[in-house]
Amino acid sequence: DAGVIQSPRHEVTEMGQEVTLRCKPISGHNSLFWYRQTMMRGLELLIYFNNNVPIDDSGMPEDRFSAKMPNASFSTLKIQPSEPRDSAVYFCASSIMGGSSPLHFGNGTRLTVT
Amino acid sequence: QKEVEQNSGPLSVPEGAIASLNCTYSDRGSQSFFWYRQYSGKSPELIMSIYSNGDKEDGRFTAQLNKASQYVSLLIRDSQPSDSATYLCAVILTGANSKLTFGKGITLSVRP
Repeated sequence: DAGVIQSPRHEVTEMGQEVTLRCKPISGHNSLFWYRQTMMRGLELLIYFNNNVPIDDSGMPEDRFSAKMPNASFSTLKIQPSEPRDSAVYFCASSIMGGSSPLHFGNGTRLTVT
Repeated sequence: QKEVEQNSGPLSVPEGAIASLNCTYSDRGSQSFFWYRQYSGKSPELIMSIYSNGDKEDGRFTAQLNKASQYVSLLIRDSQPSDSATYLCAVILTGANSKLTFGKGITLSVRP
């Protein structure tokens, strides 16, 4: 089992550019989560999908952020336009069903917006 | 009050000691509680889950839950340098659609 796969591992971009983060969950997992981690705010849930359907997007900071899950094996998180305050580590995690089953995290994408 | 709070830390203990990590939560109706460990530069991994009041033991780790006082703790016995990491408390809040809310974490350092 390859685990949750995220790409890219690192992304450096200039303010105003579009950023797309990618995630491949573990096969057979029905839930997918996007988290953002910073020193100041810790690990914050951005959006959560069940069976490819967004269940809770209340953590998405603003309209600049969007997430999609077109099928069970792929999800994207897009930031357009990016701002320096978006700099963080973005984690994708998957679980068999919801947060009560163990979350398996990807290695994260470290985003730096200059 | 934040939904999940981990106020103490960073914590430093000598090798072989007991490390005690605490977490409080605001939602009295919460039913599911978890501890995740995150090594520096790595992603979080689940180490303990607890759902009922009392203690749950797994090797050197013991999770304790007190719903009346709204706190959950993690004890690490015979601490080892390899236990040095950030420990994240996580709670499924009432009506949260099974989403997990994390505390900011406590950084533990075990001195050889």
